[in-house]
Amino acid sequence: ETGVTQSPTHLIKTRGQQVTLRCSSQSGHNTVSWYQQALGQGPQFIFQYYREEENGRGNFPPRFSGLQFPNYSSELNVNALELDDSALYLCASRGGGSFQTDTQYFGPGTRLTVL
Amino acid sequence: GEDVEQSLFLSVREGDSSVINCTYTDSSSTYLYWYKQEPGAGLQLLTYIFSNMDMKQDQRLTVLLNKKDKHLSLRIADTQTGDSAIYFCAEIGPYSSASKIIFGSGTRLSIRP
Repeated sequence: ETGVTQSPTHLIKTRGQQVTLRCSSQSGHNTVSWYQQALGQGPQFIFQYYREEENGRGNFPPRFSGLQFPNYSSELNVNALELDDSALYLCASRGGGSFQTDTQYFGPGTRLTVL
Repeated sequence: GEDVEQSLFLSVREGDSSVINCTYTDSSSTYLYWYKQEPGAGLQLLTYIFSNMDMKQDQRLTVLLNKKDKHLSLRIADTQTGDSAIYFCAEIGPYSSASKIIFGSGTRLSIRP
């Protein structure tokens, strides 16, 4: 039990639609990161938010966007869904310590299927 | 570029030691990690090692780092059925403050009775 929750657990969308995934971090964790994990692959870093601002991004197009709120919740939004967006989406939160050694706590993920 | 590679599968007998291997390409990696993922659960950080160390031991876990060969291994002593999971090797470089961890594709560890 990491104290990080995600909703929904599963989601099915069709190509071209938009989706919002939600994450609730541990209280006091002001940094949240989002990862995409395709089937049989390791997680890939999408972006990170710190104090409600994006401060790092991986190789993902602008149709992947996010929001972070003061109540330690956050959202991942994906516009114009493509079939390749089908994956497990993980959020991870941590406190404001060293980004290298401060433990990130991962949520269980949201499984998105795009048809 | 950054790349982390692992073998896909490992099968060991219960009670034996498991050794999971990983190679990485980024010589500027500062920290290397081992994560565990069980079905329906998020990733769990098992241990990490700083790049200027060559070994770290934590109870049943031993991490060996060969920086010259860019090779990392995780040894699990006395492997139990609860160790069945996918294990990810990961690294982070001296980038910005972003938690941009680069993960391998994972090694699925299965335990034989």
